[in-house]
Amino acid sequence: DTAVSQTPKYLVTQMGNDKSIKCEQNLGHDTMYWYKQDSKKFLKIMFSYNNKELIINETVPNRFSPKSPDKAHLNLHINSLELGDSAVYFCASTQNEKLFFGSGTQLSVL
Amino acid sequence: GESVGLHLPTLSVQEGDNSIINCAYSNSASDYFIWYKQESGKGPQFIIDIRSNMDKRQGQRVTVLLNKTVKHLSLQIAATQPGDSAVYFCAEISYAGGTSYGKLTFGQGTILTVHP
Repeated sequence: DTAVSQTPKYLVTQMGNDKSIKCEQNLGHDTMYWYKQDSKKFLKIMFSYNNKELIINETVPNRFSPKSPDKAHLNLHINSLELGDSAVYFCASTQNEKLFFGSGTQLSVL
Repeated sequence: GESVGLHLPTLSVQEGDNSIINCAYSNSASDYFIWYKQESGKGPQFIIDIRSNMDKRQGQRVTVLLNKTVKHLSLQIAATQPGDSAVYFCAEISYAGGTSYGKLTFGQGTILTVHP
């Protein structure tokens, strides 16, 4: 009964490929996020959606395209993967400012 | 730009000691702060929060102190246990553009290691 679940947990791929990470929350929250955590553990917000509408879009390359089919899902599609995209990507959801995070997707671009 | 940072990247303590993790923030407009704990292989987990109209808030074995004058936040963990070993992040909520949608900005993170 995981509150925020994301798949896959590990993703290893070649440069230039296109990949997607899926996220689902069963908390009934309206707002969902994608965060990127680099090798130094720094967490940086990428996107935020509220009830399927994009509300925060940080300076992220347009190779990254979030999609929210409904308020319980926020998927992240990445085109033309680069070495620098290697990181752990966290999905999160919130209702009243407290974020609940998924367990992360470790992306390795070779 | 505005940022939230930490003074110490690592902290090593003995089991049973008290731990203090510090954080400096620069956005004076922030009015809500949160501490998160991240264990290896997991996502960050909420520990405790505090609003800017408070100086101190206590939870179970944890206390957060806020000094708005010097823009400093600290997390105190009493009787630290090996299970407390993790990376600890402070974070602030800001509301850009007059919207009601908060953006959570994380600080650098402190690695806490508790030795038995």
